[in-house]
Amino acid sequence: EDKVVQSPLSLVVHEGDTVTLNCSYEVTNFRSLLWYKQEKKAPTFLFMLTSSGIEKKSGRLSSILDKKELFSILNITATQTGDSAVYLCAYSRAGGTSYGKLTFGQGTILTVHP
Amino acid sequence: NAGVMQNPRHLVRRRGQEARLRCSPMKGHSHVYWYRQLPEEGLKFMVYLQKENIIDESGMPKERFSAEFPKEGPSILRIQQVVRGDSAAYFCASSPLDAHEQYFGPGTRLTVT
Repeated sequence: EDKVVQSPLSLVVHEGDTVTLNCSYEVTNFRSLLWYKQEKKAPTFLFMLTSSGIEKKSGRLSSILDKKELFSILNITATQTGDSAVYLCAYSRAGGTSYGKLTFGQGTILTVHP
Repeated sequence: NAGVMQNPRHLVRRRGQEARLRCSPMKGHSHVYWYRQLPEEGLKFMVYLQKENIIDESGMPKERFSAEFPKEGPSILRIQQVVRGDSAAYFCASSPLDAHEQYFGPGTRLTVT
């Protein structure tokens, strides 16, 4: 059965710390893995990864996918209180009519204290 | 470029009434997806639509729920005879091409009393 698991479930850090969030998956016909940030509203798109070993970067955030070991990590450096949110990873599958469906993990709750 | 728009943002319905949730995708996007987030639970896929076509409705409850994306106008998620268990946040997302990244709207929070 396909699944996606995020760890840790919650994390508390202080401003300036670096955090690494994990997402492991088992998916048949894997196509892509996506990261979103959700505050008390809509999920905001961060990254989409399809190729193994290629890092995507945006400011203090970066992400990489390992298709051999079936996981992805999201790194946030020099954290700020505004980074406090739930971080979601999701996968999509290739083929059939299910390619539009994103399946989400349970999320990691990140709290950044001043 | 306006993002995905949803209305209403909050909707209160009594048990047995109908709820209609609207979603206008981002400009240039022709693919729409609906997700539901129950209290203390993750986002769950419901349905994927293109203009005038339902592509994947594998996440839709078998009864009372329907969705459409007409040639003109917004996508509509319709819930008939609502029950308390339908209380949730309903998010719409859109993408320009199939299987590309999806951009989410602000959601409609449905409360059934």
